[in-house]
Amino acid sequence: NFMLTQPHSVSESPGKTVTISCTRSSGSIASNYVQWYQQRPGSSPTTVIYEDNQRPSGVPDRFSGSIDSSSNSASLTISGLKTEDEADYYCQSYDSSNPRVVFGGGTKLTVL
Amino acid sequence: QLQLQESGPGLVKPSETLSLTCTVSGGSISSSSYYWGWIRQPPGKGLEWIGSIYYSGSTYYNPSLKSRVTISVDTSKNQFSLKLSSVTAADTAVYYCARDMVATGWFDPWGQGTLVTVSS
Repeated sequence: NFMLTQPHSVSESPGKTVTISCTRSSGSIASNYVQWYQQRPGSSPTTVIYEDNQRPSGVPDRFSGSIDSSSNSASLTISGLKTEDEADYYCQSYDSSNPRVVFGGGTKLTVL
Repeated sequence: QLQLQESGPGLVKPSETLSLTCTVSGGSISSSSYYWGWIRQPPGKGLEWIGSIYYSGSTYYNPSLKSRVTISVDTSKNQFSLKLSSVTAADTAVYYCARDMVATGWFDPWGQGTLVTVSS
């Protein structure tokens, strides 16, 4: 059974770029799609990236996703940071060998 | 536009069974492309997947909760339900229902969530 590990928190200034990592503990990160969710305080999670690097309609192209087999991790990159991007971000994947859904622990993004 | 709405008691006593229902509107729960899932979030903590169900009744559960969880579906009402038995204070959380893309675990959209408190 694998786990997804995210940094507890990251912070950056408005207008800058930030990258949040999500490292898979075992098995290949490329084996199953990775999704990223944004959760603002008091709200339900919403998808910002699905299937590793796809953006749902309505999500700005400032949000991008990628996977890196060398580090066995997925990344969410947000460019041109805005104060409205301040939120918790969760990565999520699927364990097809032992069917179950796996969430990362979440990363609190502070834009200051 | 697909919408999901959770409903059920907001307070459950320890050792009793938590029961929630998710009503799906704007689309059919009988779609072949999706499962329907439950996720919870304890106050101030992260997301935990509970389990998911297909319209045919096929389920898959979080192994850590499997012994206490039952998820069922009622296609005639476009609803699916969660039962969690023998609850303790550790089960206090916001419970979300969401559509679950088959074989990816991609949840979208989510319901607004409902807070369930376990207390006597």
